[in-house]
Amino acid sequence: EAGVVQSPRYKIIEKKQPVAFWCNPISGHNTLYWYLQNLGQGPELLIRYENEEAVDDSQLPKDRFSAERLKGVDSTLKIQPAELGDSAVYLCASSLYGRTGGHSGELFFGEGSRLTVL
Amino acid sequence: AQRVTQPEKLLSVFKGAPVELKCNYSYSGSPELFWYVQYSRQRLQLLLRHISRESIKGFTADLNKGETSFHLKKPFAQEEDSAMYYCALSGGSNYKLTFGKGTLLTVNP
Repeated sequence: EAGVVQSPRYKIIEKKQPVAFWCNPISGHNTLYWYLQNLGQGPELLIRYENEEAVDDSQLPKDRFSAERLKGVDSTLKIQPAELGDSAVYLCASSLYGRTGGHSGELFFGEGSRLTVL
Repeated sequence: AQRVTQPEKLLSVFKGAPVELKCNYSYSGSPELFWYVQYSRQRLQLLLRHISRESIKGFTADLNKGETSFHLKKPFAQEEDSAMYYCALSGGSNYKLTFGKGTLLTVNP
């Protein structure tokens, strides 16, 4: 089992350019999360999916960020256009967690995608 | 609102010494508390959760609702315990996991 897979691991772009991150969760995990981690900070939730439904996107800056989880498996997080302040690590996590299945609190994280905006 | 505070950004101890990583939380309901750990060059992973009342790698944590704390303790630190530790809270039915800013533990030989 490869665990949660994210790509790319590193991305360097110039400001105002678009960027996209991809996440493949652990097989069978119905809940998927995107977290933002700034340097020296803990992860902050951007969006949470249960299957293909975004059940919590209150922290997602919708003017430039978008996400999708078609078919309730893989997910893509997009930023367009990127700003200097978006430089951070974008973490994807999955779990068997949710409104219907109860929860254990255990999230399985990917290695993250480190974005640098110049 | 959910909030987790880890007052120490850095904590350095010697091998064999006791270690305590502090965590305080703010939540109006009945929370569930967790400790996650990130070793160097590894991904973030669950260390322990308060509902399990278990000891993992010699670490324990007790939820103190009166003091709204969930401190992580180990009686004898080992060099391999050096890592970044995050306290996290899940509140009620929203299943949202809120993390603290983390404490970097260094265990010196």
